[in-house]
Amino acid sequence: AQTVTQSQPEMSVQEAETVTLSCTYDTSESDYYLFWYKQPPSRQMILVIRQEAYKQQNATENRFSVNFQKAAKSFSLKISDSQLGDAAMYFCAYRSSEYQGAQKLVFGQGTRLTINP
Amino acid sequence: DAGVIQSPRHEVTEMGQEVTLRCKPISGHDYLFWYRQTMMRGLELLIYFNNNVPIDDSGMPEDRFSAKMPNASFSTLKIQPSEPRDSAVYFCASSLKGRLAGGLGKNIQYFGAGTRLSVL
Repeated sequence: AQTVTQSQPEMSVQEAETVTLSCTYDTSESDYYLFWYKQPPSRQMILVIRQEAYKQQNATENRFSVNFQKAAKSFSLKISDSQLGDAAMYFCAYRSSEYQGAQKLVFGQGTRLTINP
Repeated sequence: DAGVIQSPRHEVTEMGQEVTLRCKPISGHDYLFWYRQTMMRGLELLIYFNNNVPIDDSGMPEDRFSAKMPNASFSTLKIQPSEPRDSAVYFCASSLKGRLAGGLGKNIQYFGAGTRLSVL
């Protein structure tokens, strides 16, 4: 079974600075998807960014980018120019490719990000 | 589209009572998922459906939990009888199947706002 590990329960960063959240995963599959979801105090789960394992290029979405290291099974999230609205719980998640069956998301434990003004 | 809609937003009930949580997926989506979030166990999948058919219910804790999807636009998660340890936030999510090289929005699970359940 796949597992996802987020080793940083909490992180903090000064507003306008850059922060990186870590995520590692364990799988024997070659095709899969990785995601970062954000959960603000409203508790709504919001997709931040996704990465297909077959793509070597790291995904980017505005101020959010990932460092995907497939061989190391690492998938970190970098937030540039941090804003107060980025404060939330961030979850890393894994999903098998549709050709490999299970469609469920396997989540890490989460990292609580605080933005200091 | 209004997104995934869950009701109620909050539910407070007493031990032993029946609880029904409701979910309306995004129109056109063919997968529906129920997740539970607790401090101890984090986010875990309970069950998911494809085209209204349950595919994997291995995460359903015990027989007290049941889920149905009578049509493409509605699903329920029922707990009977409820127990204090069932207190959690329950999320519903939906997605649209796509090819590996699928287009925008495919293979992404969109979540509802969740139902916070408190069993006293």
